[in-house]
Amino acid sequence: DAKTTQPPSMDCAEGRAANLPCNHSTISGNEYVYWYRQIHSQGPQYIIHGLKNNETNEMASLIITEDRKSSTLILPHATLRDTAVYYCIVSVSGSARQLTFGSGTQLTVLP
Amino acid sequence: NAGVTQTPKFRVLKTGQSMTLLCAQDMNHEYMYWYRQDPGMGLRLIHYSVGEGTTAKGEVPDGYNVSRLKKQNFLLGLESAAPSQTSVYFCASSYSIRDLNTEAFFGQGTRLTVV
Repeated sequence: DAKTTQPPSMDCAEGRAANLPCNHSTISGNEYVYWYRQIHSQGPQYIIHGLKNNETNEMASLIITEDRKSSTLILPHATLRDTAVYYCIVSVSGSARQLTFGSGTQLTVLP
Repeated sequence: NAGVTQTPKFRVLKTGQSMTLLCAQDMNHEYMYWYRQDPGMGLRLIHYSVGEGTTAKGEVPDGYNVSRLKKQNFLLGLESAAPSQTSVYFCASSYSIRDLNTEAFFGQGTRLTVV
């Protein structure tokens, strides 16, 4: 019973914003939304996480809807190096034991 | 600061052979984990450890053993390798689960092929 739903693949033009959606309609009040990415066979890399407020760091922005049932990861100026599988995960905490990696979204940044 | 380091990076084993994968972290993390990733699939947790001297089973523990004799190291052993254990193995570490704002740090993976 998947906690999150993501599109299997997306394309984005280089230099444009990449907006990756995630549905998590059964999220509990104490669960965070985490985003990780995995660049071609490398280890997953943490991007950002949030509880209910929008968050921004040097890599991305995370927009969480007011009802917390969905969120969007925004890469403001996508580069070819951002081509990767992006995983949206809901978890009580960020420790890896609580992180269940689904299939994610394959983002391809096109030149 | 190397983060999480896995050795070896590649290995080919014959069915029935044994081997140990080493994971080392230099961030003083309490928690350490071993995952496997099969082609086109997400990561599945094999075993984890919440501190030195402790280990626990994850989602797919059969055929593997682990040890955490030192806080910075987490070893994954294959007692008698089988072709079904052909996979990419990832180690990860994180601060205590009590820290709700923790992130997990992953190694670069070990590609294991069992023939």
